[in-house]
Amino acid sequence: GAVVSQHPSRVICKSGTSVKIECRSLDFQATTMFWYRQFPKKSLMLMATSNEGSKATYEQGVEKDKFLINHASLTLSTLTVTSAHPEDSSFYICSARGQYTEAFFGQGTRLTVV
Amino acid sequence: QKEVEQDPGPLSVPEGAIVSLNCTYSNSAFQYFMWYRQYSRKGPELLMYTYSSGNKEDGRFTAQVDKSSKYISLFIRDSQPSDSATYLCAMQPSNTGNQFYFGTGTSLTVIP
Repeated sequence: GAVVSQHPSRVICKSGTSVKIECRSLDFQATTMFWYRQFPKKSLMLMATSNEGSKATYEQGVEKDKFLINHASLTLSTLTVTSAHPEDSSFYICSARGQYTEAFFGQGTRLTVV
Repeated sequence: QKEVEQDPGPLSVPEGAIVSLNCTYSNSAFQYFMWYRQYSRKGPELLMYTYSSGNKEDGRFTAQVDKSSKYISLFIRDSQPSDSATYLCAMQPSNTGNQFYFGTGTSLTVIP
């Protein structure tokens, strides 16, 4: 299957700092990328959807100024958690799809804000 | 009512058993159905991708879709301890749209 690489897999940061998570599609052009948040033993919660070259569409209740998404190319999207707080600690997962393909997920990033 | 319903389990089975995982849905427009496997602290991995009703087999895995009942299943034959994971179902009305509807996931443990 297609490969989506997400980096870093784990990050610990201090409260008030910003963290950037990268998501790359390695062997296909990702026309659309998705960012999810997953709480322990819960399903995926969609945060935002981004199409290459366009502004991301955020789900209701997700602060776009806090979770900055950039999808500058067909192979790279980034999620920046700005001014992180302990309640932002979570597992963040990206997903990517081509125009007519199913969605493939990255390995996830475990963010811990201390 | 949620768009997609999935029993969270947990489900424990002995090694070698046949496992049946299921999801029900309410939107008759769903046409594309997926099963993902997620190991602890990892991203979901696509296992099966099916379109409309019918069966699809891949090794020990069989995906079954019954659109008339709005019910999908994933069967795992000869289950192995390495199958222990959370299984998520997902579905879409169209393969060009960006709306994916996920189940909550079923936690499976295969006991050696």
